[in-house]
Amino acid sequence: DTAVSQTPKYLVTQMGNDKSIKCEQNLGHDTMYWYKQDSKKFLKIMFSYNNKELIINETVPNRFSPKSPDKAHLNLHINSLELGDSAVYFCASATGPYYEQYFGPGTRLTVT
Amino acid sequence: AQSVTQLDSQVPVFEEAPVELRCNYSSSVSVYLFWYVQYPNQGLQLLLKYLSGSTLVESINGFEAEFNKSQTSFHLRKPSVHISDTAEYFCAVIVPYTGTASKLTFGTGTRLQVTL
Repeated sequence: DTAVSQTPKYLVTQMGNDKSIKCEQNLGHDTMYWYKQDSKKFLKIMFSYNNKELIINETVPNRFSPKSPDKAHLNLHINSLELGDSAVYFCASATGPYYEQYFGPGTRLTVT
Repeated sequence: AQSVTQLDSQVPVFEEAPVELRCNYSSSVSVYLFWYVQYPNQGLQLLLKYLSGSTLVESINGFEAEFNKSQTSFHLRKPSVHISDTAEYFCAVIVPYTGTASKLTFGTGTRLQVTL
């Protein structure tokens, strides 16, 4: 009965590969997010979807492409992975854009 | 745009001692404020929030935070910490009612290290 789940938890891959991270929430929330947490623990928003519509698209390389097949899912696809993409990626959801966000357990991506 | 400053990157404290984690924000309009806690190798969990009303808000595990509009602060306090409180603590702010593109802005985090 996990509220926000992400798969995989760990992802180790080589430079140049393409990978996807999946996120699902069972809270009935309308808004979902992707964040990147770097090695210094700094959290930066990447994308936000509200009712399957992309509403926030931060300055992120276009190698990153989010997809929301329905309100409960928000996936992140990354093309041509680079060393600098190594980080922990968190998915989150909320009832609306101003309210508390519920975070998934994170996906630790390591690019070698 | 709003911003959040957590001046202390690390706060070491002995078990059962009191602690205060500082958070200051910058915004020209009213804000909602949050404290999140991140235990090692886990996601963030909401600790407490201020939306409106009483300026003193409390969590179920003994933390409290006070919203001070004049000082633009939302410091987190606990009168007696436990080893299990060791974690990274993030202060965050959002400006409400500005559209669906509103973003939650996080501080850089404070590492609370509790020792015996």
